[in-house]
Amino acid sequence: EVLLVESGGGLVQPGGSLRLSCAASGFTLRNFWMIWVRQAPGKGLMWVARINSDGSSTDYADSVKGRFRISRDNAKDTLYLHMNRLTSDDTAVYYCATSPDSGTYSDWGQGTLVIVSS
Amino acid sequence: DIQMTQSPSPLSAFVGDRVTFTCQASQDIRNSLNWYQQKPGKAPKLLIYDASNLETGVPSRFSGSGSGTDFTFTISSLQPEDIATYYCQQYDSLPHTFGQGTKLEIK
Repeated sequence: EVLLVESGGGLVQPGGSLRLSCAASGFTLRNFWMIWVRQAPGKGLMWVARINSDGSSTDYADSVKGRFRISRDNAKDTLYLHMNRLTSDDTAVYYCATSPDSGTYSDWGQGTLVIVSS
Repeated sequence: DIQMTQSPSPLSAFVGDRVTFTCQASQDIRNSLNWYQQKPGKAPKLLIYDASNLETGVPSRFSGSGSGTDFTFTISSLQPEDIATYYCQQYDSLPHTFGQGTKLEIK
């Protein structure tokens, strides 16, 4: 069974940093693109970033470019999202998801909540 | 960025009804469209990929159609467990954008 478990969310002050993790089990992480999607409270879904199977290619939404960095450790079956210079607009549940083709998000984690507030 | 517009929202229907809602892209996205279901407090779930292909394990009452800029999602006979918000998502070009969602309610 494919299982993705996000962690690392929490309360952080504006301007602060946080690292999210997404631990994968039940499948071979290195075979998939991986995606981060977020959802602000009561709002819709927003694509944040993606990374290819070996980590050599990454893409970001304009709103996070230069502040967030997606990375992966295939040996540990773990995906990361390094978030810097956080603002209240970054408050959201962050989901990781697998993607066999970089465009379709097949399996999702349960999400981790990030709250940016003083 | 490609804008995805879903309608209607919300949508109310009776159990057993045939339910249809739409997703319109601001430019041609060929068939690069997926549909997801999200229940309250849960992660989204992939239902339809490439506009019309049913994901493995998804009940056959769900279907999708369309190409270019206009897409349709249909539930042939609404069940109580189908209460959720449904999102379309394009992956023709970055950033991969989602529609604002159609919230489905039971009458």
